Amino acid sequence: SQQGEEDPQALSIQEGENATMNCSYKTSINNLQWYRQNSGRGLVHLILIRSNEREKHSGRLRVTLDTSKKSSSLLITASRAADTASYFCASDMVDYKLSFGAGTTVTVRA
Amino acid sequence: ETGVTQSPTHLIKTRGQQVTLRCSSQSGHNTVSWYQQALGQGPQFIFQYYREEENGRGNFPPRFSGLQFPNYSSELNVNALELDDSALYLCASSGVAYNEQFFGPGTRLTVL
Repeated sequence: SQQGEEDPQALSIQEGENATMNCSYKTSINNLQWYRQNSGRGLVHLILIRSNEREKHSGRLRVTLDTSKKSSSLLITASRAADTASYFCASDMVDYKLSFGAGTTVTVRA
Repeated sequence: ETGVTQSPTHLIKTRGQQVTLRCSSQSGHNTVSWYQQALGQGPQFIFQYYREEENGRGNFPPRFSGLQFPNYSSELNVNALELDDSALYLCASSGVAYNEQFFGPGTRLTVL
C-alpha cells in the first residue's frame, strides 16, 4: 500500500504558468521528499523538507509542509517544457525507507 | 562522483523463470534500496540493504530476495516469475548522513 497520495493526478499548463500539486500522507514522518521522473526512467531528487520545517525553496521550486494536516505541496514557478514529467512525493518513514504516492503527471504546453 | 547504475536496461522473461537484476551504488554510499514501479503507479519499497545485511522489507513475497556485496553493489533476485512482476525496478543508494536517495535509471522487466 502507498503512504501518500498526490492531487491532481494530471495537470496541463501553458509554458510560463505556475504548477501546483499536493500530497497527503497517512502516518508521522521524519522528512518528505519530492522526486521527478521523466518518461518512466529513474527518479531525480528535487527537494527534501524535514518534519520541523514549514517551507523550503530551491530555484523555481517551493515546497510547503503541514504536519498537522499531513500534507505537502510543490509549486513550480514559471514552468518550462522541460518540466514535463511525473512528480512524486515520498514520505520518509524510518531508515531511509521511502513510501511514494501515485504521482502527478505534469504537461507543459509550449 | 559515479552515479547509480543498473543492469540490464531491459529484460524479457517468461512466467516461472528466475531473474537477477544488478545495481552499483553511488560512490561512498553503503545503503541500497530496491523499488518496484508498476505502470502508472509510484514506486513500492521492496527491501533495503545496509552493509550487506537486509535492513527492512516491504510487502513482497520471499521469492523476491537480494544481496549486497562488500563494495555495496547489490542484486535483486526474483524466482518463479509471475505476469504481475512486469514493472520498472529501481535501485537507490544513500549515504549515512542524509535521507536523500539517488536513483538509478531502472531495469524494465517484462514477463510473458
